[in-house]
Amino acid sequence: GENVEQHPSTLSVQEGDSAVIKCTYSDSASNYFPWYKQELGKRPQLIIDIRSNVGEKKDQRIAVTLNKTAKHFSLHITETQPEDSAVYFCALQGPLGGFKTIFGAGTRLFVKA
Amino acid sequence: SAVISQKPSRDICQRGTSLTIQCQVDSQVTMMFWYRQQPGQSLTLIATANQGSEATYESGFVIDKFPISRPNLTFSTLTVSNMSPEDSSIYLCSVEALRGANEQFFGPGTRLTVL
Repeated sequence: GENVEQHPSTLSVQEGDSAVIKCTYSDSASNYFPWYKQELGKRPQLIIDIRSNVGEKKDQRIAVTLNKTAKHFSLHITETQPEDSAVYFCALQGPLGGFKTIFGAGTRLFVKA
Repeated sequence: SAVISQKPSRDICQRGTSLTIQCQVDSQVTMMFWYRQQPGQSLTLIATANQGSEATYESGFVIDKFPISRPNLTFSTLTVSNMSPEDSSIYLCSVEALRGANEQFFGPGTRLTVL
């Protein structure tokens, strides 16, 4: 079935710096790529998503890029703030997975003040 | 986005007993899912709850252990049967408003501890 690999597992940045999390996948037919943020003790929340017909999408300080040829997509957070500290999960949907959402392993982001 | 509630929010149970978790959505949704999230881990799909028919289970999960009901388009239950300490986890329901709509929203989760 489909799977998605996420790197790094842990990321520590200084407040104000940028953070980048990358995910790679194998099924070229995957067509939907969401990112979820999960704060400690809370539910995962969708923060941004991108569909396969778009290469980049931005929402204020967060952006997602998709490279279909290389089969990877990345989350970019600029001007990081302490409240960005959380676990971030990439995910995807595609026909190999029956269009169910498949999650990456997660990246624990620490933003140091 | 849908508003999703789960009951109970947490429970501590004895080995060998069963617990039923309820998931209620404030609007009709096509797709409902049940996930398990073990401490520090990612989300693992248990099954898709199908309205009016048997749930579709993922590899490694069986109906006898995790029976699921979905009597209508706004409600589902997941039962964790004959529990062991290995079942200690957070269980989350999730919904997708329309098949193919993609956006998926999660309930607050049920934290289960089995002694």
